Amino acid sequence: NAGVMQNPRHLVRRRGQEARLRCSPMKGHSHVYWYRQLPEEGLKFMVYLQKENIIDESGMPKERFSAEFPKEGPSILRIQQVVRGDSAAYFCASSPRAGLNTEAFFGQGTRLTVV
Amino acid sequence: TQLLEQSPQFLSIQEGENLTVYCNSSSVFSSLQWYRQEPGEGPVLLVTVVTGGEVKKLKRLTFQFGDARKDSSLHITAAQPGDTGLYLCAGAGTYKYIFGTGTRLKVLA
Repeated sequence: NAGVMQNPRHLVRRRGQEARLRCSPMKGHSHVYWYRQLPEEGLKFMVYLQKENIIDESGMPKERFSAEFPKEGPSILRIQQVVRGDSAAYFCASSPRAGLNTEAFFGQGTRLTVV
Repeated sequence: TQLLEQSPQFLSIQEGENLTVYCNSSSVFSSLQWYRQEPGEGPVLLVTVVTGGEVKKLKRLTFQFGDARKDSSLHITAAQPGDTGLYLCAGAGTYKYIFGTGTRLKVLA
């Protein structure tokens, strides 16, 4: 049973370009979470999605960032017009259900560098 | 706003020593997880504690959930260089996991 798969592992973008980060959850998991981690810091929640629905996006910046989890295919975190401050590691986690006592499993992350 | 604070932030010890890492909050969590993260990798789940006062052991690691489910501790006995990494606690909220600030552990041979 494959784990959470994220790609690409490393992504370099110039300022103003778009970044697309992909996350394929574990088999049977329909809940996806995106987190951002700056160097030497903990993980900051960005967004929580179920299939085709955004449940909680309280951690997403209001502009330039969007996320989706379509019925078919991976979850996508999209950053438009990237700036240097977007450089970070972005982690995706999946779980089989939401609510009490649910464990989330993380992917290896996408390290975004904006030059 | 739910916050989890970990202490110490950094810890450097010699191989064979014991250590305890703390995770504290003013909020109650239905469950709490501990993760270890190595450089360049994602967090790896170590344990989930659910019941107030619960103690779980994973080889040399002992995890405890506070009676009020607001805090937790991780105790490592006879630390080894392979224990080096970033230790993160995470509390389960309604829709998301709230992560602690992390404890960066370095075990010297």
